[in-house]
Amino acid sequence: DAGVIQSPRHEVTEMGQEVTLRCKPISGHDYLFWYRQTMMRGLELLIYFNNNVPIDDSGMPEDRFSAKMPNASFSTLKIQPSEPRDSAVYFCASRGDRISGNTIYFGEGSWLTVV
Amino acid sequence: GNSVTQMEGPVTLSEEAFLTINCTYTATGYPSLFWYVQYPGEGLQLLLKATKADDKGSNKGFEATYRKETTSFHLEKGSVQVSDSAVYFCALSDPGGGADGLTFGKGTHLIIQP
Repeated sequence: DAGVIQSPRHEVTEMGQEVTLRCKPISGHDYLFWYRQTMMRGLELLIYFNNNVPIDDSGMPEDRFSAKMPNASFSTLKIQPSEPRDSAVYFCASRGDRISGNTIYFGEGSWLTVV
Repeated sequence: GNSVTQMEGPVTLSEEAFLTINCTYTATGYPSLFWYVQYPGEGLQLLLKATKADDKGSNKGFEATYRKETTSFHLEKGSVQVSDSAVYFCALSDPGGGADGLTFGKGTHLIIQP
């Protein structure tokens, strides 16, 4: 199994630029999650999808953040415009339905620095 | 709502010492409990899990037992190695209680000295 695949692994961008993070979940998983990790706040759930439909986006910090899941094998998290305080590690994760188990598997993360 | 409380570090131990990292939780439903490990510069890896009361999860010499009566899931290892140095996160998943994602503790930074 290939695991959750994220790209880019590292991104350095200037303030005001658009940033797009990409994720391919594990094949067959129905749930996809976006988390953000910072020293100050730890791990925060930003948004998650079930069967490509956004279920809870209450963790998205503000309108500059948006996420989409156009199909079962691809999701994006976009920040426009980016700000230095967006610097963090962004993790994508996925899991199967409740019958197949509650274990959530994480990607390697996208390490974002906004200067 | 759901929450996870774990001891914050850093926790510094000598090689071959016994390790305990405490974790307690509150949940509205019947959660599954997890320990994830994050090595420097890497993502989160599942270390072990338990899905119901009295279950014991184990992996790589680490163990944790799901204690419903004390709402705890403490992580233990009998003899730590330098390679165990990492950040350890306790987490719960409570889909039956409406929380499909994971609720994480703040993480415990473990440092093992040779």
